[in-house]
Amino acid sequence: KAGVTQTPRYLIKTRGQQVTLSCSPISGHRSVSWYQQTPGQGLQFLFEYFSETQRNKGNFPGRFSGRQFSNSRSEMNVSTLELGDSALYLCASSFTSPRLDEQFFGPGTRLTVL
Amino acid sequence: AQSVAQPEDQVNVAEGNPLTVKCTYSVSGNPYLFWYVQYPNRGLQFLLKYITGDNLVKGSYGFEAEFNKSQTSFHLKKPSALVSDSALYFCAVRALGSGNTGKLIFGQGTTLQVKP
Repeated sequence: KAGVTQTPRYLIKTRGQQVTLSCSPISGHRSVSWYQQTPGQGLQFLFEYFSETQRNKGNFPGRFSGRQFSNSRSEMNVSTLELGDSALYLCASSFTSPRLDEQFFGPGTRLTVL
Repeated sequence: AQSVAQPEDQVNVAEGNPLTVKCTYSVSGNPYLFWYVQYPNRGLQFLLKYITGDNLVKGSYGFEAEFNKSQTSFHLKKPSALVSDSALYFCAVRALGSGNTGKLIFGQGTTLQVKP
């Protein structure tokens, strides 16, 4: 069974631009969560989607948004990029809910904002 | 507020020796606890979880963790460390959420260095 895939793996953008990251969960998994990982803040939860609905949201500004499609694939978008948005963005999928099911993480997208 | 603390930024151990990576938590109600490992340039890999039942949980790659409710701890252990265990380890607790959902709150991570 294929794992969680994320595209692209690396991105370089400049301040003010916007970016879209993609995540394909493990086949059959319906929950997709997004996390931001930085050396200073560690792993921080962005949001979780299940059946195309956002179920949970972390404490990030409205510039961060996401969506989930009917095939469970998910995208996150960051508008008006800031230097502080440079991070590793991780996507994780689970069968039903991160509440009980372990999450399977993708390799991440490394975003660098110049 | 719910939180997870990993008090050690780095743990150094010699190959063949037992290792412990510490984790304490603060959560309302019964905790759901997880350990993940991250190798360089990789995503996180699930090691083990505690939901209910036996306090000693066995996981992947020979790791185990002991849930201690009175000390609110969930330390990761392995009887004999391998050089290949060197990585970044994260403890996580499930946060209470609405309905059947729940986001994971992660600790800051502990770097494990196993020296030959």
